[in-house]
Amino acid sequence: NAGVMQNPRHLVRRRGQEARLRCSPMKGHSHVYWYRQLPEEGLKFMVYLQKENIIDESGMPKERFSAEFPKEGPSILRIQQVVRGDSAAYFCASSPVGLAGGYNNEQFFGPGTRLTVL
Amino acid sequence: GENVEQHPSTLSVQEGDSAVIKCTYSDSASNYFPWYKQELGKRPQLIIDIRSNVGEKKDQRIAVTLNKTAKHFSLHITETQPEDSAVYFCAGFFSGGYNKLIFGAGTRLAVHP
Repeated sequence: NAGVMQNPRHLVRRRGQEARLRCSPMKGHSHVYWYRQLPEEGLKFMVYLQKENIIDESGMPKERFSAEFPKEGPSILRIQQVVRGDSAAYFCASSPVGLAGGYNNEQFFGPGTRLTVL
Repeated sequence: GENVEQHPSTLSVQEGDSAVIKCTYSDSASNYFPWYKQELGKRPQLIIDIRSNVGEKKDQRIAVTLNKTAKHFSLHITETQPEDSAVYFCAGFFSGGYNKLIFGAGTRLAVHP
């Protein structure tokens, strides 16, 4: 059973370009979470998605950021018109059920995408 | 609001000593508290977790305690080894209708041989 997959692992963009980050959850997991980690800082929740639904996007900036988790394919975190402050590691995590669903709801993290904005 | 505070931010111990990291949380309805270990440049790895129906959980050299009344939980690592050196994050699940973990700011643990 492969773990959570993220690609690309490293992404370099110039200011104003778009960044697309992909996350494939573990097999059997239908809940996906995106976190951002600035250098030397902790993990900040961005968005929680289930298939075809955004459940909680309270941590996502109102502009330029969007996320989706389509019926088929990976979850995508999209950042439009990137700025230098967007440079960070973006981690995706997945769980088999939501955290409110009782047991067997641990979140497993992918390797992250390190975004550098020049 | 939702908040998890973690202390200390850095911790330096000698190999073989114990290390303790403490976290406090604000949401009294929180019921799930995982701990993650993150080595430099790598993903966070779940090392232990505790749910609100227990006060303590142990896995070999790692233990976590939870005090729901005081709203704090702690990670205890005994007989520390150099490979325990990493950043450790506590987290709390906030129950306000949605499923999300709120992380502490992290503790950088250095174990010196």
